[in-house]
Order: sequence, then C-alpha cells, then structure tokens
Amino acid sequence: EIVLTQSPGTLSLSPGERATLSCRASQSISSSYLAWYQQKPGQAPRLLIYGASSRATGIPDRFSGSGSGTDFSLTISRLEPEDFAVYYCQQYGSSPGTFGQGTKLEIK
Amino acid sequence: EVQLVESGGGLVQPGGSLRLSCAASRFTFSSYAMTWVRQAPGKGLEWVSGISASGGSAYYVDSVKGRFTISRDNSKNTLYLQVTSLRAEDTAVYYCAKSSSDWYFAAFDIWGQGTMVTVSS
Repeated sequence: EIVLTQSPGTLSLSPGERATLSCRASQSISSSYLAWYQQKPGQAPRLLIYGASSRATGIPDRFSGSGSGTDFSLTISRLEPEDFAVYYCQQYGSSPGTFGQGTKLEIK
Repeated sequence: EVQLVESGGGLVQPGGSLRLSCAASRFTFSSYAMTWVRQAPGKGLEWVSGISASGGSAYYVDSVKGRFTISRDNSKNTLYLQVTSLRAEDTAVYYCAKSSSDWYFAAFDIWGQGTMVTVSS
C-alpha cells in the first residue's frame, strides 16, 4: 500500500499570499495518478486537480498542481477567503487507492 | 446538475447491519465506476470500496473485506453498500463518489453529501 504524507499539517497564511502544500508518496506513483481535493467543514470533498497537474472542471486557475514520482505539490497562487479549508491528496495508481492525512489551510 | 444523494445511514448496535444507497442523476451512470469513501468524525478520508462501471469487478479495503458488499443497479442509477458485522470503528460519514473513468482507481469528480453511520450500543 502506498502511504501519502502531507506537509505541513497546518498552514497559516493571509488572503493574497501564496500557498504551497506538499504530498510525498512512499513509492513512486505510476503515470502521475495523483489528485487533490478541497474539503470545507460540513461539506463533501471537491476535486481540484487530477493527473497531478490537470485542473478539474470549474476550478480557478489560481490552483495548480505539479510533481511526479514520489513528490507532488498543490499551489494556490493568491489566496482568496474561500480557499481556507482542508486539502487532501489521493493516489489512484495502485491498489488500494489511498489518501493523505490532510493539510489544514487556516487564516493567519 | 450532476448529483449523488446518499441515504440509509443511522444508529446501529455493534454487530448490526445497514444498507446504504446512493441515487445518481444527470449523468450516464452505467459508464462510470463508483466508490464509497468514509470519514470518521474529525478524521481524514478513507477509500472503502469501488465497483466497475459494469458491476463485474469490485474492490474492498482490507478492513472491510468479508463484511461490506458493494453493488449497483444500472437500470435504477443506484449504488449500494451493504454493511454487516459493524464495529465502533466503522462509525463515519459515508460518501459515494463518481469515478472519472469506468475503473474505480481514478480521481473522484462528483461526491454526494454523505450519510452518517454510527455504531454504538
């Protein structure tokens, strides 16, 4: 089973700042089968990025994903108030599909 | 609007059973794999089970093998999860999610609002 480790656990930033979230895998993820989700309190997760770097439908271009192999990142270029939430990475290149433990992005 | 609506959760005693349902609308249900993902209170996401678009193949995380059964009725656009021999550690919000392909190891592009399962005596 591939273990995904997200860092930092909590990230405190102000609106307008740039956020970079990390997701490291215990083994190489085939074909960059890595996704990122955003979850706000009391809501279901929302797909942001799939295939490591492709934005899902309707996702603003301030969200971008990058990486390959074992190291991936999600960047939010300029934080909006609605971006403060918990973010999860997920690998789907090998069974079982697994999620990282999440990074909480909070307002500083 | 593409939509998934779960139902069937509730309070159940340890060892009990439930059947969760997920009704899909406004997409070609039979073309996509479907999955169940759960989230224990205050915890992260855990992928539980997936079923291929045709229903011919299914996968379970080790912790639920032999206790949970995933199925689908493509004529009714509905996904199911039969959960039996429930344990306290199965307490969670159970989300159904649409796979972005016909295979369950994929990104999940549509999620339901979730149904809560509480296992307690």
